[in-house]
Amino acid sequence: ELKVEQNPLFLSMQEGKNYTIYCNYSTTSDRLYWYRQDPGKSLESLFVLLSNGAVKQEGRLMASLDTKARLSTLHITAAVHDLSATYFCAVVERGNYGGSQGNLIFGKGTKLSVKP
Amino acid sequence: DTEVTQTPKHLVMGMTNKKSLKCEQHMGHRAMYWYKQKAKKPPELMFVYSYEKLSINESVPSRFSPECPNSSLLNLHLHALQPEDSALYLCASSHVLRDRGGEQYFGPGTRLTVT
Repeated sequence: ELKVEQNPLFLSMQEGKNYTIYCNYSTTSDRLYWYRQDPGKSLESLFVLLSNGAVKQEGRLMASLDTKARLSTLHITAAVHDLSATYFCAVVERGNYGGSQGNLIFGKGTKLSVKP
Repeated sequence: DTEVTQTPKHLVMGMTNKKSLKCEQHMGHRAMYWYKQKAKKPPELMFVYSYEKLSINESVPSRFSPECPNSSLLNLHLHALQPEDSALYLCASSHVLRDRGGEQYFGPGTRLTVT
């Protein structure tokens, strides 16, 4: 059974600081997604990581994937208040390709609060 | 059009009511999903439709009944719900995994309260 663990679950940052959120998963997968969720809102897709060594950047956020270590990181550079939200990583259970959809397993989420 | 729409946005229903949630997308996606999300928890998969056929049912109680009338529409029929079914219900869609990566696009959700 695929398990996805994120840490930290809560993160309070000061504006201008850097930090990293970690996402570990328990079984082989080569598809990992990062989503953002604002309170009471839906999920917004941030990054899709499809291969080992993949690195993607958008603004102050950068995500990477190491499939051998079963680890993805979401790095925040020079945080600003607008980044305050809950961030989820999600991994597709392998073995469900080829005509049927895979089950997307979410981590528990990291609630990020950026303070001035 | 990269949008998934859901109606209604809010729904309050009694335990004896029958209601339906609706989801629509026009991105040409052939996979559609229903998730349930309780407060401060991650989304939990309920159902997956692939090419309009139910491919995954995550042991969801029969009081939830999904329907995919065509490739753009997904419904969730609700009957005899319990208060613990109160949650945010999210619909998502994606290309089928083997084709283009399977990134799921989520709708705004329906906030359901069962009284």
